[in-house]
Amino acid sequence: GENVEQHPSTLSVQEGDSAVIKCTYSDSASNYFPWYKQELGKRPQLIIDIRSNVGEKKDQRIAVTLNKTAKHFSLHITETQPEDSAVYFCAASWDNQGGKLIFGQGTELSVKP
Amino acid sequence: NAGVTQTPKFRILKIGQSMTLQCTQDMNHNYMYWYRQDPGMGLKLIYYSVGAGITDKGEVPNGYNVSRSTTEDFPLRLELAAPSQTSVYFCASSPRQGNTGELFFGEGSRLTVL
Repeated sequence: GENVEQHPSTLSVQEGDSAVIKCTYSDSASNYFPWYKQELGKRPQLIIDIRSNVGEKKDQRIAVTLNKTAKHFSLHITETQPEDSAVYFCAASWDNQGGKLIFGQGTELSVKP
Repeated sequence: NAGVTQTPKFRILKIGQSMTLQCTQDMNHNYMYWYRQDPGMGLKLIYYSVGAGITDKGEVPNGYNVSRSTTEDFPLRLELAAPSQTSVYFCASSPRQGNTGELFFGEGSRLTVL
């Protein structure tokens, strides 16, 4: 089955710096890769997703890149703000519209003012 | 729309007891899921359902059972609770259509087994 590895487990940056979180997946059939943000004590919420027919996707300060050959994808957050502090999860699915999502272990991002 | 509603929010069980976590959604989503979240371990898929009457195992199904008799409801049953089942449980649903595979999560149910 699919296995998703996420690194680093914790990340601390200064406000205004960029943050990068990386994930690798094992199943070459996976074709849908979302990222979720979970604030302390809250439910996870989708922030951006990418499909295997696209190499990069941007939404304001966040972007995701996908390298199908290497089977890894990354989340990039630019101009970080304190409200970006949260746990971020990557996930992968063989189903282009969600289906059986397998999550990475999570990255706790701390943005220091 | 209330979205995805889970009950109870908190529960303490004794070893060997059984209970059902309730999950209902009012968005007419076909797909529903149960995940558990342990500290530092991410979200592990327990069971999922692609529609009423259809369920399938996820990554960690042992010790749990589910049913999907209606589109709206997807209860998770814990039989013979064990300390290893202490976790936060999230129910989620997805429309599985259009351009998004977004999962809509409930608020979570914190279960402690003592």
